[in-house]
Amino acid sequence: EDQVTQSPEALRLQEGESSSLNCSYTVSGLRGLFWYRQDPGKGPEFLFTLYSAGEEKEKERLKATLTKKESFLHITAPKPEDSATYLCAVRTGANSKLTFGKGITLSVRP
Amino acid sequence: DTGVSQDPRHKITKRGQNVTFRCDPISEHNRLYWYRQTLGQGPEFLTYFQNEAQLEKSRLLSDRFSAERPKGSFSTLEIQRTEQGDSAMYLCASSSRIKTSGLYNEQFFGPGTRLTVL
Repeated sequence: EDQVTQSPEALRLQEGESSSLNCSYTVSGLRGLFWYRQDPGKGPEFLFTLYSAGEEKEKERLKATLTKKESFLHITAPKPEDSATYLCAVRTGANSKLTFGKGITLSVRP
Repeated sequence: DTGVSQDPRHKITKRGQNVTFRCDPISEHNRLYWYRQTLGQGPEFLTYFQNEAQLEKSRLLSDRFSAERPKGSFSTLEIQRTEQGDSAMYLCASSSRIKTSGLYNEQFFGPGTRLTVL
């Protein structure tokens, strides 16, 4: 059974203090790793898709990387508006469901 | 607005009642997914459709749950005889096919329907 573990569960940063969020996975035949951002009471918002080890993608202050066992979401010089829950998910079937981790709640203090 | 829409946004019901939720996917997205999310957890897969065909259902989807997508556009999720354990956020997502590879793009989620069963 596919497993996705995110750590830490919660992270509090000072504005401008860079850090990384971890997503480790145990799957058979990865067909994509996805990062989403979710604000309270809203649906997840798509951020990145990574398909193979060594791949990296960037968007503003966020950078996602992938290895054979884990993915990192690096946040550079975060701002209070980056506060949200960040979800990691994997897809293993050819075109099927996503299996999500529990998410990491990020709080950025001004 | 060209995103995924869901209706209603909030539903409060009494135990034992039936409820129905609606999801309108992004137009031309032929795959539509339903997930359930409880507090402090990530979304859990329930079922998905390709056009009007229901291709996969989770073990989480008990006999009280039924989903349809009759014309391959909007979808409904019905819960019969609701229980307090059904209280959750019900999320809908849709995706489109990548023409060159046959794989599917990322899933785009709607705002969700928050169900509270009293």
